[in-house]
Amino acid sequence: EPEVTQTPSHQVTQMGQEVILRCVPISNHLYFYWYRQILGQKVEFLVSFYNNEISEKSEIFDDQFSVERPDGSNFTLKIRSTKLEDSAMYFCASRRTGSSGANVLTFGAGSRLTVL
Amino acid sequence: AQSVAQPEDQVNVAEGNPLTVKCTYSVSGNPYLFWYVQYPNRGLQFLLKYITGDNLVKGSYGFEAEFNKSQTSFHLKKPSALVSDSALYFCAVRDGGSGNTGKLIFGQGTTLQVKP
Repeated sequence: EPEVTQTPSHQVTQMGQEVILRCVPISNHLYFYWYRQILGQKVEFLVSFYNNEISEKSEIFDDQFSVERPDGSNFTLKIRSTKLEDSAMYFCASRRTGSSGANVLTFGAGSRLTVL
Repeated sequence: AQSVAQPEDQVNVAEGNPLTVKCTYSVSGNPYLFWYVQYPNRGLQFLLKYITGDNLVKGSYGFEAEFNKSQTSFHLKKPSALVSDSALYFCAVRDGGSGNTGKLIFGQGTTLQVKP
């Protein structure tokens, strides 16, 4: 079964450092998403991406965050200057296109970010 | 704005007994509803969805859910719980209106504990 692959599985960084989280979506999927889950809390939407641009972003997704799809395969989330409160599990998800909304988001296993 | 409420932080049930995990939602258009399960240190796995049609939908691992439009609910059920069902369960909603990005909004999650 096709999978969404995320790397690294765990990253520890110092406050103020830049972090890049990588995702390889399922190959025929064209909608991409990042979510985050702070320990013990709900899964929160960060950003959606389609046709090489951001289609929607949440209040959490401020200027410190950026996404790109540099090579048609990877989908990356960059945090420019990490803060303690950025410590969370970050999930990438993808889905097929289609006129119906029936397509399911397939999630990766997540990247745990710890900011010290 | 879309929202999902899971009123119970934890549900405890004995193995072999039926289980219900509750979910209510709010969305402006037609709701697309989903259940996901998260095992420890793992990503979100899709269980089932309601888009249209039969109010009772069946999914993976013997789970089912019933869409109730008047009560704006989408409770997850299983006739006979297994210890291996113990996990964190998330209900999610998407506004099925055209032009949306397909993002899901998640509830806060319910921990299901099945005791032998």
